[in-house]
Amino acid sequence: DGGITQSPKYLFRKEGQNVTLSCEQNLNHDAMYWYRQDPGQGLRLIYYSQIVNDFQKGDIAEGYSVSREKKESFPLTVTSAQKNPTAFYLCASSLQQGIDYGYTFGSGTRLTVV
Amino acid sequence: AQSVTQPDIHITVSEGASLELRCNYSYGATPYLFWYVQSPGQGLQLLLKYFSGDTLVQGIKGFEAEFKRSQSSFNLRKPSVHWSDAAEYFCAVGRTSGTYKYIFGTGTRLKVLA
Repeated sequence: DGGITQSPKYLFRKEGQNVTLSCEQNLNHDAMYWYRQDPGQGLRLIYYSQIVNDFQKGDIAEGYSVSREKKESFPLTVTSAQKNPTAFYLCASSLQQGIDYGYTFGSGTRLTVV
Repeated sequence: AQSVTQPDIHITVSEGASLELRCNYSYGATPYLFWYVQSPGQGLQLLLKYFSGDTLVQGIKGFEAEFKRSQSSFNLRKPSVHWSDAAEYFCAVGRTSGTYKYIFGTGTRLKVLA
């Protein structure tokens, strides 16, 4: 079955470390997104990508980086510059920009700084 | 700027009772509107969406929503709630042109009493 796979489900990071969250989709979707979810704040967009080798900053990109070397993959790196990285991270994809078929979401990664 | 407001942070209903979750949006043109549901520790699942046409839209799991332009609202309803409906519900608005990104509300957490 097609879908989005996020890994790992739980991730623990020490202060000052970079960590990378994986997001893979086999839906042949063009666009992919990373959201951060904090209690009471809804979902906030970190980065998005419409095509391979291209991506744009969202509303809260500081302290994060991404790459889009393959259509299927959109990994997110949480760098040591991110001051408050503990959160639930959601990856999503959609068929194409401009025509909205809705997002498909992964099951999320919970990142905790220890 | 676009915005989405979900005025109710928590709602509690008895099993079998009817449900209405409120969503108000701010958008200059006819928006794309969505409702998503999130079970604890999981990603979001699309319940229904409105683009144009009939203002009453049917979704999965017995949910429906009505678009009311005069009130800038897109409320989610269900005639009879089941215990399995306990979850968090998010309303989202999307742009109709250009780069496509959703704006999510802060969510409404639904508790169902047996």
